[in-house]
Amino acid sequence: AQSVAQPEDQVNVAEGNPLTVKCTYSVSGNPYLFWYVQYPNRGLQFLLKYITGDNLVKGSYGFEAEFNKSQTSFHLKKPSALVSDSALYFCAVSSMDSNYQLIWGAGTKLIIKP
Amino acid sequence: DVKVTQSSRYLVKRTGEKVFLECVQDMDHENMFWYRQDPGLGLRLIYFSYDVKMKEKGDIPEGYSVSREKKERFSLILESASTNQTSMYLCASSPTSGVKGLYEQYFGPGTRLTVT
Repeated sequence: AQSVAQPEDQVNVAEGNPLTVKCTYSVSGNPYLFWYVQYPNRGLQFLLKYITGDNLVKGSYGFEAEFNKSQTSFHLKKPSALVSDSALYFCAVSSMDSNYQLIWGAGTKLIIKP
Repeated sequence: DVKVTQSSRYLVKRTGEKVFLECVQDMDHENMFWYRQDPGLGLRLIYFSYDVKMKEKGDIPEGYSVSREKKERFSLILESASTNQTSMYLCASSPTSGVKGLYEQYFGPGTRLTVT
């Protein structure tokens, strides 16, 4: 069955340091991979997606993610964290398995400390 | 910019009441979705719709129904609210294309429903 795992409930990073939020997935066939962010008391916002092509995808607010097919991962990264990056981050995947509906991870709370 | 609006940010209802949650999008998107978000569980799909008057069950449709009479509006109905339906409800929309799943979804701000 298809699934998405975000192994860390919370990630703490000092401002200015690089950040990584991890995501692994399990689907048959080719995945479409997404990252969304939810700021406090707001709806989800799309950050970036991987459909095909270059494994490194760049998105909003300086975020990027790398698709690794052999490790079935799609980790979210940013070279230098800002306090304003503190939010809840969700990874999601769709594929033919799920009839192209999004399967969501449980979310990772990112805390950036000044 | 795509705008998805939801009728209420906060709602408190009593057990057994019928509850209506409204969602409107202004970008002429074909697809609309209702999710519930609970801590540690991510988002779970309740219902979705690919077209007017069309609906399909998601992963957790029990206790819910939906209505889509106009393209821009997608309503979620709790026929008889129960305490285990206390949650954050998120509406989303997306365009369609020849390839399913290609487009990102655009979300409303959410409705936090409390059933007492």
